[in-house]
Amino acid sequence: EAQVTQNPRYLITVTGKKLTVTCSQNMNHEYMSWYRQDPGLGLRQIYYSMNVEVTDKGDVPEGYKVSRKEKRNFPLILESPSPNQTSLYFCASSSTSGSRPNEQFFGPGTRLTVL
Amino acid sequence: GNSVTQMEGPVTLSEEAFLTINCTYTATGYPSLFWYVQYPGEGLQLLLKATKADDKGSNKGFEATYRKETTSFHLEKGSVQVSDSAVYFCALRMDSSYKLIFGSGTRLLVRP
Repeated sequence: EAQVTQNPRYLITVTGKKLTVTCSQNMNHEYMSWYRQDPGLGLRQIYYSMNVEVTDKGDVPEGYKVSRKEKRNFPLILESPSPNQTSLYFCASSSTSGSRPNEQFFGPGTRLTVL
Repeated sequence: GNSVTQMEGPVTLSEEAFLTINCTYTATGYPSLFWYVQYPGEGLQLLLKATKADDKGSNKGFEATYRKETTSFHLEKGSVQVSDSAVYFCALRMDSSYKLIFGSGTRLLVRP
């Protein structure tokens, strides 16, 4: 089954404790992206990657890091989480070939609470 | 910059009622437009899309028409069901980018 998976689905942590949220897709997609969802703000892009070893900032990158060492994986790293990073996070992926606009597939979300 | 504005919710309807969720956009150029749906506890799923003016996207009884003159992409359904209860997001994407720009979302609650 074609899908985007994220782990963990739920996480409660404390300020300053480094964490990683994993994202993996099995569709051989080139493009991957992280969004955060906050009430009243919709989804905002954090980082994206056009392909292996190619990453760039989105609209709200402060406090986050990413890496793209393999095509299928795109982890989101919070080196020193703060309470304002409490949010619902979504990973998405898309092919960059074929006719536009290519559909973006979303993972199930990771609900993060930083105390 | 480019942006999407949706009507605030929640929208509460009785089963079989007519649904309209308003969406307008601001963009430099001609974006592709999307409606995504988020069921409770799940990720976003593409509901429908339109890539150019006057295109009509449709799926599962939902429709939306790309109106360039009013910069709108309103979502409609003639007869909602309880199972349509979800959060609906309008989004745009410019040809030059893969980034989706989302509206704030509209929660729909359909009562039996």
